[in-house]
Amino acid sequence: SAVISQKPSRDICQRGTSLTIQCQVDSQVTMMFWYRQQPGQSLTLIATANQGSEATYESGFVIDKFPISRPNLTFSTLTVSNMSPEDSSIYLCSVRQGATEAFFGQGTRLTVV
Amino acid sequence: EDKVVQSPLSLVVHEGDTVTLNCSYEVTNFRSLLWYKQEKKAPTFLFMLTSSGIEKKSGRLSSILDKKELFSILNITATQTGDSAIYLCAVEAHAYGQNFVFGPGTRLSVLP
Repeated sequence: SAVISQKPSRDICQRGTSLTIQCQVDSQVTMMFWYRQQPGQSLTLIATANQGSEATYESGFVIDKFPISRPNLTFSTLTVSNMSPEDSSIYLCSVRQGATEAFFGQGTRLTVV
Repeated sequence: EDKVVQSPLSLVVHEGDTVTLNCSYEVTNFRSLLWYKQEKKAPTFLFMLTSSGIEKKSGRLSSILDKKELFSILNITATQTGDSAIYLCAVEAHAYGQNFVFGPGTRLSVLP
């Protein structure tokens, strides 16, 4: 199993500002994933963060809005840029180790006012 | 279009009841189906199913997969208030690489 430390746990931000969310894993993993869960909705994949290359974004998500860094095999950040109230969601990082279940960080509850 | 459907979307029961949650899917090149429990923010893993007809069991929870009919069920017996949560079904398919497609979830409320 993998233990993921995600922070911040929650934040309230002003519109137009940016927030960077961090995830630290206790072991090296090839792929890390960032999900968004809007209020009352299920998890939607934002992007896959690969070490040593640019992140791969899903349809509807762009790098300018959600820049991702992956400087090594145990750490990644997701930035939510130029925030609006529609960005209010739970953001989750996730990892897999081979063909196993996905492990999730504790999540970041973001409220944009 | 690939999709994962869960039913019911919401369920209210009393302690001691038995519940069955459903997950059906339509994906290309199915790999596995997973169940998660989400109480606050982070989903916690329950089961991973890859083969039809083999029941997985953990305490009062059990789950089984039918790859012919493309569905899975999650059973919870003798429910407790601590079972109140959103139960998420996720499917892994070859088309999605290493990630999952999540269903909308079933919100279970267990009343004392």
